[in-house]
Amino acid sequence: NAGVTQTPKFQVLKTGQSMTLQCAQDMNHEYMSWYRQDPGMGLRLIHYSVGAGITDQGEVPNGYNVSRSTTEDFPLRLLSAAPSQTSVYFCASSRSANQPQHFGDGTRLSIL
Amino acid sequence: GDSVTQMEGPVTLSEEAFLTINCTYTATGYPSLFWYVQYPGEGLQLLLKATKADDKGSNKGFEATYRKETTSFHLEKGSVQVSDSAVYFCALSENSGNTGKLIFGQGTTLQVKP
Repeated sequence: NAGVTQTPKFQVLKTGQSMTLQCAQDMNHEYMSWYRQDPGMGLRLIHYSVGAGITDQGEVPNGYNVSRSTTEDFPLRLLSAAPSQTSVYFCASSRSANQPQHFGDGTRLSIL
Repeated sequence: GDSVTQMEGPVTLSEEAFLTINCTYTATGYPSLFWYVQYPGEGLQLLLKATKADDKGSNKGFEATYRKETTSFHLEKGSVQVSDSAVYFCALSENSGNTGKLIFGQGTTLQVKP
């Protein structure tokens, strides 16, 4: 009964490095999304996908790339990390865009 | 654009006290409304939802009523427990456009003391 699984849980990067945050769900959900959580700002949508092969930008997409080659996986890529991307990142999924979303436990990312 | 405003925290209560966390929203359409809860070190969990005006969502003793006339969705619980200590987020989902985008309030930290 895994639900939404995010890896890694913690990561420290240097400015300019690249990395991929992994997200996988085993509920056969069509809709997946990435949010970042910053103090005092709630969660903000980065990118989302309504199905395999389909992605779109959210509220704060700059500096992030996504792809959706399978229904299960929705990785988030930082191409050149910047200190402003220090945050907690959450992946979520749901049956469709208008259904309640299930969240993973998050990845805490620090960029020095 | 659409937005959600929550009362600022932290909110500190004694066990068995009555809880209210205020939430108001601004939306051009007819959004669905949600309360999510985040326990320390965990992701967000759906607490309750309401999809149309006058709907009441309820779960685990928590309630919230979708009030279109006051654009509010306040969270209430009659008697809080120490285990209710967490961060609570009010959110709305735009039902048009099929983006699934959730717009969150800034979160309210609740601390319940024995």
